[in-house]
Amino acid sequence: NAGVTQTPKFQVLKTGQSMTLQCAQDMNHEYMSWYRQDPGMGLRLIHYSVGAGITDQGEVPNGYNVSRSTTEDFPLRLLSAAPSQTSVYFCASSRGQGNGYTFGSGTRLTVV
Amino acid sequence: DQQVKQNSPSLSVQEGRISILNCDYTNSMFDYFLWYKKYPAEGPTFLISISSIKDKNEDGRFTVFLNKSAKHLSLHIVPSQPGDSAVYFCALDNAGGTSYGKLTFGQGTILTVHP
Repeated sequence: NAGVTQTPKFQVLKTGQSMTLQCAQDMNHEYMSWYRQDPGMGLRLIHYSVGAGITDQGEVPNGYNVSRSTTEDFPLRLLSAAPSQTSVYFCASSRGQGNGYTFGSGTRLTVV
Repeated sequence: DQQVKQNSPSLSVQEGRISILNCDYTNSMFDYFLWYKKYPAEGPTFLISISSIKDKNEDGRFTVFLNKSAKHLSLHIVPSQPGDSAVYFCALDNAGGTSYGKLTFGQGTILTVHP
């Protein structure tokens, strides 16, 4: 059982480039979320989904897009990378409130 | 304005003693409270949770206390072990309306347990 798988683990982008961070879970969880972690700020919610075809914005959605075409996958797209998007990105999934969220191991992104 | 605060950036404890990590929040709509542990270069790992209808939940060495009137959450680890050294985050959930899937995290507390 792989849990939540994030790829790539590391990425360096130039300002203005676009890319997609992949997230897949094999636990048939309905809820999936993307967070970014910056020093001294904990984890902040970017976008989340409560099921296939349903997404909504979190606290810091600007510059990111998501879609949820299947239960298993929840990719995060950076439209035009900026240095302010340098961060560690975590994807998480859950069956629902009270069950905890399972996190992936993260993607460390640097935008130069 | 931060809704969730962990006011202690770090905590140092001797092995075998109690570790107490604290978390304060401002929004009364939060109704589910979780603690996560994070090692470097790994994702957060779920530890323990408590719903707003309870004031205490235990799981082995870990106990979470909730004081709703004070809007205060704490995690007690007894006895502390060197392997507990990590960053601990409190995370709050609000199931009201369409808020499923949204966790609000504190800034984290670095716990160091000395042998």
